[in-house]
Amino acid sequence: SYELTQPPSLSVSPGQTASITCSGDNLDNRFVYWYKQRPGQSPVLVIYDDKKRPSGIPERFSGSNSGNTATLTISGTQTFDEADEADYYCQAWDSNTYVFGSGTRVTVL
Amino acid sequence: EVQLLESGGDLVSPGGSLRLSCTASGFAFNKSAMSWVRQTPGKGLEWVAVISASTGSTNHAASVQGRFFISRDNSKNTLYLQMSSLTVEDTAVYFCAKTRGLERGFFDYWGQGTLATVSS
Repeated sequence: SYELTQPPSLSVSPGQTASITCSGDNLDNRFVYWYKQRPGQSPVLVIYDDKKRPSGIPERFSGSNSGNTATLTISGTQTFDEADEADYYCQAWDSNTYVFGSGTRVTVL
Repeated sequence: EVQLLESGGDLVSPGGSLRLSCTASGFAFNKSAMSWVRQTPGKGLEWVAVISASTGSTNHAASVQGRFFISRDNSKNTLYLQMSSLTVEDTAVYFCAKTRGLERGFFDYWGQGTLATVSS
């Protein structure tokens, strides 16, 4: 079965940029989606079709997909918001299955 | 505003059954595919099942195939998940999710989830 691999955790200093990776075989042959989940809350879609932002998602969220790795970037042009502390999951589709990565917990130092 | 409200989560014994419901509002329910996604306590997300908007075409994850069945009633704007032969590994928060694309798709809105606990 297809697998998506994410680092378990990432720590970011205020003002820095967070880059969360998601790896899978020939990942750029398919679209990747990203979800943000705050503790005790439901997931929220933040990126679809590799790099598109849904309405209401700030411009500092961006996505890319190349080769075997997709990346969600939360830019540091503004102070990294504590509201961005969350679990982030990537997702793709393969062989009639919606596949999720294992998630990356992002924390502010 | 899109709203998805799940219900039906409960404590059930291994081997038992449970039916979850999800009531939708704020969008054309009869024009949208819908899915169930679960999250085990402290763990990640796992897609469970998807159903098309109107034809009733379904697809279930291998881990639940033959035990769980997704269905919908468009006249009631309600999605269902019938779960049977439950095991402790099925203990999870179950989310319903509005689904963009029956294939190669994603989940653009999620409910708040309902907890199903399987334990003796």
